[in-house]
Amino acid sequence: GNSVTQMEGPVTLSEEAFLTINCTYTATGYPSLFWYVQYPGEGLQLLLKATKADDKGSNKGFEATYRKETTSFHLEKGSVQVSDSAVYFCALIDGSGGYNKLIFGAGTRLAVHP
Amino acid sequence: NAGVTQTPKFQVLKTGQSMTLQCAQDMNHNSMYWYRQDPGMGLRLIYYSASEGTTDKGEVPNGYNVSRLNKREFSLRLESAAPSQTSVYFCASSDPDYPRNTEAFFGQGTRLTVV
Repeated sequence: GNSVTQMEGPVTLSEEAFLTINCTYTATGYPSLFWYVQYPGEGLQLLLKATKADDKGSNKGFEATYRKETTSFHLEKGSVQVSDSAVYFCALIDGSGGYNKLIFGAGTRLAVHP
Repeated sequence: NAGVTQTPKFQVLKTGQSMTLQCAQDMNHNSMYWYRQDPGMGLRLIYYSASEGTTDKGEVPNGYNVSRLNKREFSLRLESAAPSQTSVYFCASSDPDYPRNTEAFFGQGTRLTVV
C-alpha cells in the first residue's frame, strides 16, 4: 500500500542554520504530497503542498519540490528560527478503496536553539 | 471560526471503562477522520468516514467504534479501555471534492490516559 518514510529525529539546529528534512514515498500513480507542522500542544496544520510532479510548494520560508524520479518531497528552509521548533509530518493522499485519505509519516521533531 | 472542535481535551480512564470522544466540524466537509498519535509512530488512522452514513476502518481500528451522526459530527468510542489505548487522539476533516488539493483540518487533540 501507499506509505511515507521520513528521516528520524530529533533534528537539532542553531538559529539561522539550513534545514533539510527528508521524505520519500511509495504510491501508485502520482498522489498529492503535503507537509504538516505541529507546534507544541496543538493539532496539525498544513504547511505546504504540491499536487503534481516538479511542483514546488512553499510557505513561511519553507520549500519542498515533488520529485517523481526519486519519489521524494524533502522539506528545506534556508535559515531556521527558534519559532520553527515543532514536529513536521510528510503526508500523501491515498485514493485506494474509492475514498481519499491522508497517510502520514512518523514525524520529525525539530529543535532550534538561539 | 471554530473549524474542528474536539472534546474533551484531557481524560483519565480506568482499565475497562468506556468513553466517547466527540468531534464536530463547521466547514461542511464530507470526510472526517480519527487518528491516534504515539511517540515515534506518527499519526495512525483509526477510522474514517467519507460521507454521512459511511465509515471505514483505518490502520488500527481494534478496540474502537465510530459513529457518523450527521455531516458535522464524528464520534469515537472506546468500549473497554486498555492501557495500550493511552495516546493523543486527533479528529480531522477534509473536503474531497477537489481530491488533489485536499487539505485536512485538525482539532486540538484529546490526551487520553488509561490506568
